Amino acid sequence: GDSVTQMEGPVTLSEEAFLTINCTYTATGYPSLFWYVQYPGEGLQLLLKATKADDKGSNKGFEATYRKETTSFHLEKGSVQVSDSAVYFCALVTGGGNKLTFGTGTQLKVEL
Amino acid sequence: DAGVIQSPRHEVTEMGQEVTLRCKPISGHNSLFWYRQTMMRGLELLIYFNNNVPIDDSGMPEDRFSAKMPNASFSTLKIQPSEPRDSAVYFCASSFEASGRRFFGPGTRLTVL
Repeated sequence: GDSVTQMEGPVTLSEEAFLTINCTYTATGYPSLFWYVQYPGEGLQLLLKATKADDKGSNKGFEATYRKETTSFHLEKGSVQVSDSAVYFCALVTGGGNKLTFGTGTQLKVEL
Repeated sequence: DAGVIQSPRHEVTEMGQEVTLRCKPISGHNSLFWYRQTMMRGLELLIYFNNNVPIDDSGMPEDRFSAKMPNASFSTLKIQPSEPRDSAVYFCASSFEASGRRFFGPGTRLTVL
């Protein structure tokens, strides 16, 4: 079945540091890939997505490129802020789009 | 626009009591999802509905859990009887069919003593 593997957290960075959160996937067919973010005390929000190979999703300074050859969708940001502290979930959907498979989430803590 | 609405936001109850969580999806969305989030198991899909019909309830942990969607604008998740291991944050989400993008509610934090 479909699965998503994320690097374990927590990831702790200083403000303005470079961020990478790794995500790899296993899927039948050609999935669409997503990053969701969950701020403390809130529900998940879509951060960015990519629907086909070599697409780059971007939002709020975050980027992720759909790499079919390595089955990866790593999340990057060049300079993190304290306000980026949250839990980040990688996810994929295949087929009809109703079954969204989430990774376990990676907690990011950004300190001054 | 109002997002997904969940109530209550917090619920504290005693073991053995019935708990009902409520969700109002975004108007026009025809898929609705119930998730449970815990530290140990992360985010788990419990059940999802399409056009008010339960499509996949394989994530429902046991018969104590039941979910209904009597109409397009309302769904409930009921736990009877509740147990301490049911303590978690329960999220409701909705989406357009086959879009992949979920719009999540703020969640209900359930504590069973």
